[in-house]
Amino acid sequence: NAGVTQTPKFQVLKTGQSMTLQCAQDMNHEYMSWYRQDPGMGLRLIHYSVGAGITDQGEVPNGYNVSRSTTEDFPLRLLSAAPSQTSVYFCASRPLKSHEQYFGPGTRLTVT
Amino acid sequence: SQQGEEDPQALSIQEGENATMNCSYKTSINNLQWYRQNSGRGLVHLILIRSNEREKHSGRLRVTLDTSKKSSSLLITASRAADTASYFCATVPSGYSTLTFGKGTMLLVSP
Repeated sequence: NAGVTQTPKFQVLKTGQSMTLQCAQDMNHEYMSWYRQDPGMGLRLIHYSVGAGITDQGEVPNGYNVSRSTTEDFPLRLLSAAPSQTSVYFCASRPLKSHEQYFGPGTRLTVT
Repeated sequence: SQQGEEDPQALSIQEGENATMNCSYKTSINNLQWYRQNSGRGLVHLILIRSNEREKHSGRLRVTLDTSKKSSSLLITASRAADTASYFCATVPSGYSTLTFGKGTMLLVSP
């Protein structure tokens, strides 16, 4: 199993550009989530999904969109990038009946 | 808002010593988890303790939970240089399915 994979590893955007961060898992986990991690901070939840077709907002959802058309994929879209979205983004997944999360390696995003 | 707060923010010890990190949280919880993050990497789950448990062991890790004080501690015994990482506590509040993380403790284990 590859586990949770994220692409790209690094990305630089200009203010106002849009992009999609990809996340995929091959463990057939129902629950997937996106977090951002800023220096000196823990992880903050952006959006999460409990299954295909179902998404919900986390603590810091503004400026981000998600969709869940398949169990495997959970892309995160930045609609119009802002410098405040400079961060490291982590995707995670878990089975619905377990609270132990499996994390991807992260995407380091810089918005100039 | 962040539920857990780790203490200390940073800890520096020698190989072979024990490392203790503490976590306090604000609301009632379903469970509390500890994760490790090596520099530049994703988080790795270490251990989960449920609200009705008081202590749990996994290898060199010992976790305690005191729900009356809303606090937990993670003890790493006989530390190794490879234990150098950031450690985060995370809670699942009662009635919720989402995980809320603290800011973490940076542990440095010197050879």
